[in-house]
Amino acid sequence: GESVGLHLPTLSVQEGDNSIINCAYSNSASDYFIWYKQESGKGPQFIIDIRSNMDKRQGQRVTVLLNKTVKHLSLQIAATQPGDSAVYFCAESTGNQFYFGTGTSLTVIP
Amino acid sequence: ETGVTQTPRHLVMGMTNKKSLKCEQHLGHNAMYWYKQSAKKPLELMFVYNFKEQTENNSVPSRFSPECPNSSHLFLHLHTLQPEDSALYLCASSQVGGGASNEKLFFGSGTQLSVL
Repeated sequence: GESVGLHLPTLSVQEGDNSIINCAYSNSASDYFIWYKQESGKGPQFIIDIRSNMDKRQGQRVTVLLNKTVKHLSLQIAATQPGDSAVYFCAESTGNQFYFGTGTSLTVIP
Repeated sequence: ETGVTQTPRHLVMGMTNKKSLKCEQHLGHNAMYWYKQSAKKPLELMFVYNFKEQTENNSVPSRFSPECPNSSHLFLHLHTLQPEDSALYLCASSQVGGGASNEKLFFGSGTQLSVL
């Protein structure tokens, strides 16, 4: 089966610093990846996605990096704010079904 | 908020009760999903409906019974659940099902279910 995991279950950063959240995936056939943010009491919210024909994609304050050689995905959040505190998890797809990671809980220290 | 609305937000039920979870999407999507989210576990796909037809049943026990009367509404009927079924049940929708590239999933806020 699929194995999508995150390197660290928790991450604490100082407000204003940059955050990096990592994700490893196992299926080299996966061609589409999404990062989701889930705040307490809410459902997962789409942040950014990337296709396998790209290695970097930028959004507003967020950047996703994809390294297909080592099957690694990362989410970078610039100038982290208290509102960024949440659980972040990645999802991968081979075109058949999405597989999700367990999530990293990000805490922003004011 | 996200275009996918779930009710109720919280549900406590006994093992002999029958209850239903409701999901409605206002995004004009054709695929709807039920996911189970347990603490410290990845999201588990339960059911997928494409154009009202069930296309995926991920070995879910029969005490969970989905219903999709149209592309905008999805129900999960619950009967004789077990305490280990306590979890957050998330509904999602996408334009067309299948997890294809660029096929974003949009989630509701979930129903937090506690089985006593």
